Amino acid sequence: NAGVTQTPKFRVLKTGQSMTLLCAQDMNHEYMYWYRQDPGMGLRLIHYSVGEGTTAKGEVPDGYNVSRLKKQNFLLGLESAAPSQTSVYFCASSYRKSPLHFGNGTRLTVT
Amino acid sequence: KNQVEQSPQSLIILEGKNCTLQCNYTVSPFSNLRWYKQDTGRGPVSLTIMTFSENTKSNGRYTATLDADTKQSSLHITASQLSDSASYICVVSSNTNAGKSTFGDGTTLTVKP
Repeated sequence: NAGVTQTPKFRVLKTGQSMTLLCAQDMNHEYMYWYRQDPGMGLRLIHYSVGEGTTAKGEVPDGYNVSRLKKQNFLLGLESAAPSQTSVYFCASSYRKSPLHFGNGTRLTVT
Repeated sequence: KNQVEQSPQSLIILEGKNCTLQCNYTVSPFSNLRWYKQDTGRGPVSLTIMTFSENTKSNGRYTATLDADTKQSSLHITASQLSDSASYICVVSSNTNAGKSTFGDGTTLTVKP
């Protein structure tokens, strides 16, 4: 049982480049979330999904897009990366209205 | 505005000692409160979850309490171990939609031998 798996673990982008972060869960959870964590700040919600085919904006959605085509996968896209998007990104999943299982993060640096 | 405040910001204790971390919140309407442990370089791991009707929940050496009237929670760690060194995060979820979980900034605990 892998839980929540995030790929890649590390990535360096140049300003303006695009990329997709993948989150996969094998627990059949309905709810999935994308957060970012910056030094000295709590985790902030970017986007979330309450089920396959549905997505919604969180606290800091600007500059990001998401898709949930399959129940087990939740993708986070950066169309045109900016230095302000340098952060650690965490995906989480749950069977209820609060995140339960987190992945180990993707460390993204935008230069 | 929903807020979760944790104290202290950081704490250093000696191995074997007990400690208590605090969490005050203003989230409404309340659904549940979780405590997470986050090791350096890893994702948060859920320690306990409490709903409105629960005032104590234990997980090994971790005991969480909840006072829904005063909107306060605490996490007590008994007989600390070096492996308890981590950030402890309090998260309060609202009974509205899946997106309404408010995270505290965490307490960084260091356990020294």
